[in-house]
Amino acid sequence: DSGVTQTPKHLITATGQRVTLRCSPRSGDLSVYWYQQSLDQGLQFLIQYYNGEERAKGNILERFSAQQFPDLHSELNLSSLELGDSALYFCASSVDVLPSDEQFFGPGTRLTVL
Amino acid sequence: ILNVEQSPQSLHVQEGDSTNFTCSFPSSNFYALHWYRWETAKSPEALFVMTLNGDEKKKGRISATLNTKEGYSYLYIKGSQPEDSATYLCAFCGGNNRKLIWGLGTSLAVNP
Repeated sequence: DSGVTQTPKHLITATGQRVTLRCSPRSGDLSVYWYQQSLDQGLQFLIQYYNGEERAKGNILERFSAQQFPDLHSELNLSSLELGDSALYFCASSVDVLPSDEQFFGPGTRLTVL
Repeated sequence: ILNVEQSPQSLHVQEGDSTNFTCSFPSSNFYALHWYRWETAKSPEALFVMTLNGDEKKKGRISATLNTKEGYSYLYIKGSQPEDSATYLCAFCGGNNRKLIWGLGTSLAVNP
């Protein structure tokens, strides 16, 4: 158990809908990262937050947004969902903001868009 | 575009065999190289983070080396066990944006 929690574990929804994925980082970690893992693709970095502020952006679509709250939990919002958004979404946390910081991954949320 | 390549894509070995795989990355503006193990139905777990050319790290039967000048890292597993079966991911950080770029992984299956 990494100490990172994600809810829900599974989510099934329809095209055009909007969903919110939630992540609580390890106690004491200030950075939160969101990743997408689609079939036959590697981990795609979406976005990073550090202590409530957006720190780095990756291949995140405009239909997706995220935020990190004062208690350091984070939410990833996915809207106008398409079939291709079906994927495993991971949240990870690290103690600080350095790229050399080890990342601790949550169990992931499996999103299925029908 | 920064690319991280891992080879081989998959590997099947017998219990007791030693094995190694490679992570290749751009050799300029290096900052850090991560190795993670990802078991089926679980989430990735960090094995090593290396930052200096020539770094060697070891955790039990698993070790890793780093050559930043030529842009590669090797992961070695000595005396593979069935519980070593997993996908091994490397992630490189470098360039100007300091984000982790992930490889596609090497899938290892250890047959008892």
